[in-house]
Amino acid sequence: DGGITQSPKYLFRKEGQNVTLSCEQNLNHDAMYWYRQDPGQGLRLIYYSQIVNDFQKGDIAEGYSVSREKKESFPLTVTSAQKNPTAFYLCASSREVGRGYYSNQPQHFGDGTRLSIL
Amino acid sequence: LAKTTQPISMDSYEGQEVNITCSHNNIATNDYITWYQQFPSQGPRFIIQGYKTKVTNEVASLFIPADRKSSTLSLPRVSLSDTAVYYCLVGVAGTALIFGKGTTLSVSS
Repeated sequence: DGGITQSPKYLFRKEGQNVTLSCEQNLNHDAMYWYRQDPGQGLRLIYYSQIVNDFQKGDIAEGYSVSREKKESFPLTVTSAQKNPTAFYLCASSREVGRGYYSNQPQHFGDGTRLSIL
Repeated sequence: LAKTTQPISMDSYEGQEVNITCSHNNIATNDYITWYQQFPSQGPRFIIQGYKTKVTNEVASLFIPADRKSSTLSLPRVSLSDTAVYYCLVGVAGTALIFGKGTTLSVSS
């Protein structure tokens, strides 16, 4: 079955450590996204990538980094510069629609990674 | 980026029809309107998407007036399992999409 796989489901980080969250998709989607969700809040966009080797900052990119070396993979690194990393992290993907196309494709989400600080 | 406004919460009883309205005054010509459902500790799940007029699928209907400045998600005969957060998004696939806080729907028996 096609889908998005996020791993691990739970992750713990010590102060001063960098941690990397994995996101893999086999949907052949061009675009991939990372969101952060805090308790009782909506999703906030961290980074998104429309194509391999290219990515854009979202609303809360500070303290995070990403790479997009392969179409299938979009790992997120939570660096030690992120002072409040405890949250639920969600990865998503979608087909990209170019300008002039009056059609759209919804995002498909993974099951998330819950990151906590030890 | 188009911004959306929707009620923070709504309450309903089993078997009732629920309508959640979303305002998006700055919607662009190419933008689509998409609704997602999210349960606790899970990723959002696509419900329905539309561009104009009315769209219906097996779980919901989406009503979009001619000016496209708002949209209404209609859930027929809700059940306890429809208790979730519902998000309205406006935009085009592959761009930065803003989720907002969504509407928390609580269904009681």
